[in-house]
Amino acid sequence: QSVLTQPPSASGTPGQRVTITCSGSRSNIGTTSVQWYQQVPGTAPQLLIYGDNRRPSGVPDRFSASKSGTSASLAIGGLQSEDEADYYCAAWDDRLNGQVFGTGTKVTVL
Amino acid sequence: QVQLVQSGAEVMTPGASVKLSCQASGSTLSTYYMHWVRQAPGQGLEWMGIINPIGGSTSYAHKFQGRVTMTTDTSTSTVSLELSSLRSDDTAVYYCARSIVIVPSELDHWGQGTLVTVSS
Repeated sequence: QSVLTQPPSASGTPGQRVTITCSGSRSNIGTTSVQWYQQVPGTAPQLLIYGDNRRPSGVPDRFSASKSGTSASLAIGGLQSEDEADYYCAAWDDRLNGQVFGTGTKVTVL
Repeated sequence: QVQLVQSGAEVMTPGASVKLSCQASGSTLSTYYMHWVRQAPGQGLEWMGIINPIGGSTSYAHKFQGRVTMTTDTSTSTVSLELSSLRSDDTAVYYCARSIVIVPSELDHWGQGTLVTVSS
């Protein structure tokens, strides 16, 4: 049972901008920083964004993220075919005393 | 180059226990907290718990308390997950992952995953 809510799907044509939202609560997104993970089907998730809006080394700058209150968002600018994957937001939840993940969003490149 | 290498796939019968392992190379296991995350077929990610390799203190998700045990062997840089009383809905890919601190749990390296199939 996911605590963070995401839209199940998002899509766009190559070059378009796609935005994914993540809705949480005061005990998770409202308290701690958000991560975003990218998972290509059949492979392990990879850290895409940490600290609300920071990219690990090697992550293209077309990926950006932000947070406001108890919601966060991930934007993919200049969508490319290799961006087709599942995306999960995540944060520590103080009330549950554990990591919580979003429901996941499947991004399709049309 | 940090690598987390997990043990191979398992096929288990309902009611049995399974023990999975995750060996770290390229970094000192004791420097990081280790997490277990699972993913049922076609489903999302589910956090199971965390272990501090130094001292072995653990924190488990409420859902798994009483059925899960996480342990560490610093001599082999290995963490293990044991899940008991297996049910069909425990069929999933189980991942280990590491974070530098507990909060935030930024999982910057993941194992390749271990498929556990529970079937009679």
